Amino acid sequence: DAKTTQPPSMDCAEGRAANLPCNHSTISGNEYVYWYRQIHSQGPQYIIHGLKNNETNEMASLIITEDRKSSTLILPHATLRDTAVYYCIGVKTSYDKVIFGPGTSLSVIP
Amino acid sequence: DTGVSQDPRHKITKRGQNVTFRCDPISEHNRLYWYRQTLGQGPEFLTYFQNEAQLEKSRLLSDRFSAERPKGSFSTLEIQRTEQGDSAMYLCASSLALAGTSNEQFFGPGTRLTVL
Repeated sequence: DAKTTQPPSMDCAEGRAANLPCNHSTISGNEYVYWYRQIHSQGPQYIIHGLKNNETNEMASLIITEDRKSSTLILPHATLRDTAVYYCIGVKTSYDKVIFGPGTSLSVIP
Repeated sequence: DTGVSQDPRHKITKRGQNVTFRCDPISEHNRLYWYRQTLGQGPEFLTYFQNEAQLEKSRLLSDRFSAERPKGSFSTLEIQRTEQGDSAMYLCASSLALAGTSNEQFFGPGTRLTVL
């Protein structure tokens, strides 16, 4: 599984877009980029995933660079409830064991 | 609520005692996972099942740990002769592993174990 690198922490003003970067330079061709988040004292929650193309759902957008070596998770209008640890993970298509790193602790500030 | 449930939510035990946790996955999900999480760290993979078959165990899962999923539905995780280092949140997740699906994992709320 690809090793991912994320900043340990970030702040974002409430109502602004939160852009969370992730480096995954060793990702292989059959690995998806998955994002999960974990709000304090809860289990992780799936956000979004993608392979090559940019993806959008009701929670977030995922922008993957053309060389697939990095990606950005975008929360378009951050709210206080988005304060959480965000994990970027490489997951193989045929085997979805998830290896979590330390993630990025996002604080949304009023 | 049809999400993943775990029982108990909290467990306090004395060192040397055995403890057992239960996980009920989302009903149609064929895969079930156990993770352990300590304060300030991301969840660490312990083991997973495809239906009733245990397909992989992490090196973190010592001989004192055993997991079962006897009928391919709920699962139990037992820790024998608990040690203080076993204190952690134990998370269960399930997924529907089918080709062409997103295969995201749905996590339960966890069981917090404290070993005194």
